[in-house]
Amino acid sequence: ILNVEQSPQSLHVQEGDSTNFTCSFPSSNFYALHWYRWETAKSPEALFVMTLNGDEKKKGRISATLNTKEGYSYLYIKGSQPEDSATYLCARPGANNLFFGTGTRLTVIP
Amino acid sequence: KAGVTQTPRYLIKTRGQQVTLSCSPISGHRSVSWYQQTPGQGLQFLFEYFSETQRNKGNFPGRFSGRQFSNSRSEMNVSTLELGDSALYLCASSFDRRGSSYEQYFGPGTRLTVT
Repeated sequence: ILNVEQSPQSLHVQEGDSTNFTCSFPSSNFYALHWYRWETAKSPEALFVMTLNGDEKKKGRISATLNTKEGYSYLYIKGSQPEDSATYLCARPGANNLFFGTGTRLTVIP
Repeated sequence: KAGVTQTPRYLIKTRGQQVTLSCSPISGHRSVSWYQQTPGQGLQFLFEYFSETQRNKGNFPGRFSGRQFSNSRSEMNVSTLELGDSALYLCASSFDRRGSSYEQYFGPGTRLTVT
């Protein structure tokens, strides 16, 4: 994998359901993996910066895991709420920038 | 602490014109990056400035240029606009401390429409 890839591209879930999506990235020369949440009409907002293999981070109902050896990270949302509706982006650092995936667009249906 | 600000928020231009977008980073942040987002595409990196110097550039034509001022404010210029330049342009700033994970803070973006 040369770039950051995310799946699925979009997702619709019912309020209260738990969900997860995937970010795949090059496993060689790993430095860090970023997760951002981008709500409509707002700025992308940093959720997590993950650096260690096996790392698990949590913020409220949202958590993320990291596997640097195989090059993937999962983002989990427990008990989805309508306010979780957003595009979730992952990114890997380049020289002085971030390379973003195309995102997973989550819609939580009330 | 004030966040990243971008002006203008919306802009409509005609093909062939040029446009300048402005970004003011968070106070103390010296690195400013620019990204373009078009429908169906992720955030595409344009360029990054640090201490008034362009350190990194993405794969965009020379019509896209930028600069950074001594107060870290940055401008981005697109000359000879094309319809395909219609996009959301995001600016992000970072403290860029050595050894940092390069977490970026984004502005609200400028929505450019080229007709």
